[in-house]
Amino acid sequence: EDQVTQSPEALRLQEGESSSLNCSYTVSGLRGLFWYRQDPGKGPEFLFTLYSAGEEKEKERLKATLTKKESFLHITAPKPEDSATYLCAGPDSNSGYALNFGKGTSLLVTP
Amino acid sequence: NAGVTQTPKFRILKIGQSMTLQCTQDMNHNYMYWYRQDPGMGLKLIYYSVGAGITDKGEVPNGYNVSRSTTEDFPLRLELAAPSQTSVYFCASSYTNYGYTFGSGTRLTVV
Repeated sequence: EDQVTQSPEALRLQEGESSSLNCSYTVSGLRGLFWYRQDPGKGPEFLFTLYSAGEEKEKERLKATLTKKESFLHITAPKPEDSATYLCAGPDSNSGYALNFGKGTSLLVTP
Repeated sequence: NAGVTQTPKFRILKIGQSMTLQCTQDMNHNYMYWYRQDPGMGLKLIYYSVGAGITDKGEVPNGYNVSRSTTEDFPLRLELAAPSQTSVYFCASSYTNYGYTFGSGTRLTVV
């Protein structure tokens, strides 16, 4: 069974305090690992796709990395506006088309 | 460019009532999806479609029906609403398999 597990469930950081979010997956024949950001009351917003171990992608203070079994979302010197829930997703091997999402990490960055 | 539009944004249903959640996209995407999101449970796939006239069940299809008569529209029908269907519903679309664009969601309460 495909599984995407995120940790921690919640994370509170001071502004400027760097940290990492983890996403581990057990998806056979991984065809991409996806990161989304979700603000309260809104739909998820696409951040990154990673396809192969060793791949890295960056956007502002966020950097996503991928190994054979897990992905990390590194947040460098976060600001309060980075507060959101970050979702990780992997392909659903049953449908071949849809994504399986983890439960997310709720990040709060305080001034 | 509106992206993915969902209506209504909020709805309260009584047990046993029926309703249709509307989803329209203007990006000419072939793939469309319906997810539900419950607190602490992550996004669960209800139904998906790979093109007009083609739909298939996801992880949690019971109590729902879909149709896809055009590329743009992918309505979700709830028959005989139950309290267990209280949730936030997200529609998404993509050009390739996984680069989702989400709508802003419909918050449904069944009482």
